Parts: sequence; C-alpha cells; structure tokens
Amino acid sequence: DVKVTQSSRYLVKRTGEKVFLECVQDMDHENMFWYRQDPGLGLRLIYFSYDVKMKEKGDIPEGYSVSREKKERFSLILESASTNQTSMYLCASRSNSNQPQHFGDGTRLSIL
Amino acid sequence: GQNIDQPTEMTATEGAIVQINCTYQTSGFNGLFWYQQHAGEAPTFLSYNVLDGLEEKGRFSSFLSRSKGYSYLLLKELQMKDSASYLCAVRDPRDNDMRFGAGTRLTVKP
Repeated sequence: DVKVTQSSRYLVKRTGEKVFLECVQDMDHENMFWYRQDPGLGLRLIYFSYDVKMKEKGDIPEGYSVSREKKERFSLILESASTNQTSMYLCASRSNSNQPQHFGDGTRLSIL
Repeated sequence: GQNIDQPTEMTATEGAIVQINCTYQTSGFNGLFWYQQHAGEAPTFLSYNVLDGLEEKGRFSSFLSRSKGYSYLLLKELQMKDSASYLCAVRDPRDNDMRFGAGTRLTVKP
C-alpha cells in the first residue's frame, strides 16, 4: 500500500512565523501535491511537482512556496504565516496520470 | 474555467440506496474520480471513470456521461460507517491535475 506521511497532525503557529509542512511518500511517485481544505470550498490546489526540483503553481499559490529536493519529499512553506492560512493541509502523491492520488492524513494548522 | 458541483449534504437511512450526483464544466476532461473522506481523515479513493457507463465495485457504483458532464456515485445497502463526505474530482489533461468539488456530506441514520 502507498504510504503518504505528513510530519504533523496538528500545528499551532503565530502570525509572521515561517512554517514548514513536510510530506514523504514511499512509492517512488513522480507527482506530489499540496492542497488546503476549507469548509464549503473543498480541496484547492496550492502547488504540485512532477519531478525533483520541479514545481508548478496551482490555483492558490499566493503566500506559499514549495521545495522538492528529493523524490520522496515535498515541503510546503508559509513564508510569513497569516491568520487566513489557518486550514487543513493535505499532501498527495501519484504515479502516472491514470492513477488516483493517495493522500496523507492531513495537518490541521492554526495561525494565531 | 473549472466548475464542479455536488450537493452539500444528504441524509439516508441504513440499508437504503443513495445516489450522489456530480456535474462538471471543465476546460478538458481526462477522467473522473470519487473519494470518500471521514471526518478528520484523509480522502480515500473509491472509483474512477474515464469512459461513459457504469463501474461497479461491491456496494459502490459510479456512472459517467461525458456528453452531459455528469456523474453519480451510487451506494447500496447503506451502513452507518458510510457516513462521510464524498468528493467528486475531474482530471484536467492540460496539467494532469485533479480539480475537486466541495464534497457531499452524507449522514446515514438508523
């Protein structure tokens, strides 16, 4: 079974802090994704990566950056956290385009 | 643009059948996925349709009509554990990424 692991289930940070969310997958998948999930809005794509050191903006990249230095790891960075970034963050990975995405358990991030 | 619509909430009775609809208007289409998400947990993959017709997997079936931009997820013999959110997602061939609907929260009552 595919395993996508996110470093934290719950995280509380302060406004202005730099926040790192880590995601690791163990299936050698080329593609990795970061979403945020908010009530009534569903899953919205922040960034994705289709290879090491490659990244593409999703629908809501503002205020975020990403890093993909190794194939198995995809990091989401909040450069200067703001309260409107309080959300559930979900990481996902998949192999080729006909396969489903596999999700991590999510990180519930609160910015105070 | 991308527009994926599904009802916000549905309620059904244990043992019954429920149909969750999804309509989509997207720039391109390369498959439709259904996911189940229990509260506080990750979405898990249920089904995939890329051609028109019905795909059956045990108690769950998914139907697709590409000409109508329409899909449904059919859940039979409902169980209490089926109470969850059901997410419809369409894959866009331009970037091979999926766009998700807001999800349908299904409550199964005894």
